Amino acid sequence: QKEVEQDPGPLSVPEGAIVSLNCTYSNSAFQYFMWYRQYSRKGPELLMYTYSSGNKEDGRFTAQVDKSSKYISLFIRDSQPSDSATYLCAMREYNQGGKLIFGQGTELSVKP
Amino acid sequence: EPEVTQTPSHQVTQMGQEVILRCVPISNHLYFYWYRQILGQKVEFLVSFYNNEISEKSEIFDDQFSVERPDGSNFTLKIRSTKLEDSAMYFCASLGFNMDKNIQYFGAGTRLSVL
Repeated sequence: QKEVEQDPGPLSVPEGAIVSLNCTYSNSAFQYFMWYRQYSRKGPELLMYTYSSGNKEDGRFTAQVDKSSKYISLFIRDSQPSDSATYLCAMREYNQGGKLIFGQGTELSVKP
Repeated sequence: EPEVTQTPSHQVTQMGQEVILRCVPISNHLYFYWYRQILGQKVEFLVSFYNNEISEKSEIFDDQFSVERPDGSNFTLKIRSTKLEDSAMYFCASLGFNMDKNIQYFGAGTRLSVL
């Protein structure tokens, strides 16, 4: 079983739609959870960062973590064409400075 | 806003040649990383570096790879004898600590093409 699983998509939605992106993981030692956005041939850019179960909201983005189910989600409200990118979930264990383990990334396209 | 800078953006080399990828992490950051992403695949951890030594490395990071922080600002990844399968995007990242964040910031990457 892979440590982090993420549906690679592609996912295509109309502008204004609510987008739901998900990852599952198998390592119960993961404590910190991140969502990065990556444009083509660019570096990952941090969107959201959480370390506890529950929801965290930042503008149109909501990150959700369910540690009991080993499941994380990113919701994008009122999606825009500029949101078109690949979204990577990443997570790491408690140790400071520890490596990130990434999901495959979900390619999102928001159509005008 | 401070950023991680990587050079060159694209490196083309012949199989068997040595390459050095360069990174300038964010000032005052303490941990430094290299990751790679083969086209169409996930971002993979290569190595982390703290207090002037390797703190963790992956199975990918074999004897052909080395890292160095030659001065107070640069962080380099050297591949001694490149193979075709080393072709990938290589990302440098650095980690800063403050009261409520513990986040790795990534550079734009160096695309390595081994011919």
